[in-house]
This record gives sequence, structure tokens and C-alpha cells, in this order.
Amino acid sequence: GENVEQHPSTLSVQEGDSAVIKCTYSDSASNYFPWYKQELGKRPQLIIDIRSNVGEKKDQRIAVTLNKTAKHFSLHITETQPEDSAVYFCAVLHMEYGNKLVFGAGTILRVKS
Amino acid sequence: DAGVIQSPRHEVTEMGQEVTLRCKPISGHDYLFWYRQTMMRGLELLIYFNNNVPIDDSGMPEDRFSAKMPNASFSTLKIQPSEPRDSAVYFCASSQGIDYGYTFGSGTRLTVV
Repeated sequence: GENVEQHPSTLSVQEGDSAVIKCTYSDSASNYFPWYKQELGKRPQLIIDIRSNVGEKKDQRIAVTLNKTAKHFSLHITETQPEDSAVYFCAVLHMEYGNKLVFGAGTILRVKS
Repeated sequence: DAGVIQSPRHEVTEMGQEVTLRCKPISGHDYLFWYRQTMMRGLELLIYFNNNVPIDDSGMPEDRFSAKMPNASFSTLKIQPSEPRDSAVYFCASSQGIDYGYTFGSGTRLTVV
């Protein structure tokens, strides 16, 4: 069935350091990979997304890389700040299972100042 | 635009009662999604609509759950009868397309006692 593995489940970094979160998926037909940030008690919000026709996308301190052959993609946050502390979810649009956006289990990121 | 609007924000009900959650998507968004979020199961897609038509309801837990979208600006998710295991945060989201970023509402925190 649909499967999106997200690692690590928790990540603690020092302010200014980089953070990397990785997701793997099973459906080789998948072509859309967004990342969402959810602060405590708030709604998930899209922070960046990538489509299968590109390997990397950047937006200021955030970047996403995609390896379609290996079926994994990663979120990179550079120069982390305390306000980056949140739960981050990757998601995969599974074409094989009825065009559904399936979310990973989430990564709790703590940025220590 | 005010974004995706959900009501109520919080709902506490007794087991066996009917619960109705409401959602107003962003104007012009053709897709509407209902997700459920729990600690144990993460973000689960329950059902989604395209142009007011239900496309995939395979995530609806059982017959106690039903969803409607009578027009482009309104959708409901109904649980009848409710059970304690239905306690969760229910999010509605809308999007311009299946492979575009989803905008989530603030969610309805449901507690069934």
C-alpha cells in the first residue's frame, strides 16, 4: 500500500546549524513532493514543494532535493533559528493509489538557542 | 481571501451523539480534502472532492462517517453515532489541483466522551 517513511522522528540542533529530514516512498509513479510545517496547535502549512522533473529547489534557507531513482527526497534547513522549531511533514502524491497525498509521520525539530 | 474556514474550532460531545463539522474552501479551489490527525495515526486522508464530486472516500473509517459537498463553497463531515475513538483534530484543506499546495483550515478538535 501507500508508504512514506520519514526520518528522524525527532531532531535537535543548535541555532545556526543545519537540519536535514529525509523521506522515502514506494510508488515510482509519484511526481509531487511537498513539505509542510506545523507549529504547536496550528494548521499544517506548505513551506516548499518539488516535482519529479527537477532534482532540487531552494527558497531562502530552505531547500528540497529529490532522488527519483532511489525514491527519496530531503528537506534541508540552513542557519536554523528558534522559530524553525515545529513538526515537519513530508508528503507524496501517490498516483498508484488513486492520486492521494500521503503524509509521513512527521519530524519534531527543536532548535536550541 | 480569508483562507479555509472551519467550524466549530472545538467540539465536545457524548458518545452516540451526531457531530457535524463544516468547511468553507478558498474560492476558486476545485479540490477539497478532509484529513484527520491523531498522535497514533498522523495525518490521514478521509475523503476528497473535485468540483463538488466525491472522488476517493477509501479513507473514511466506516459507515458512521459521511461527507457532502452540496456546492463549491461548503462541505460537511458528519459522524453518527460518534465514539471516543473518533477523538482527533479534523482538518479541511483546499487546493487548485491535486498536485498543488494544499491550504489547511484551522481544524476542529473533536473530543468524544
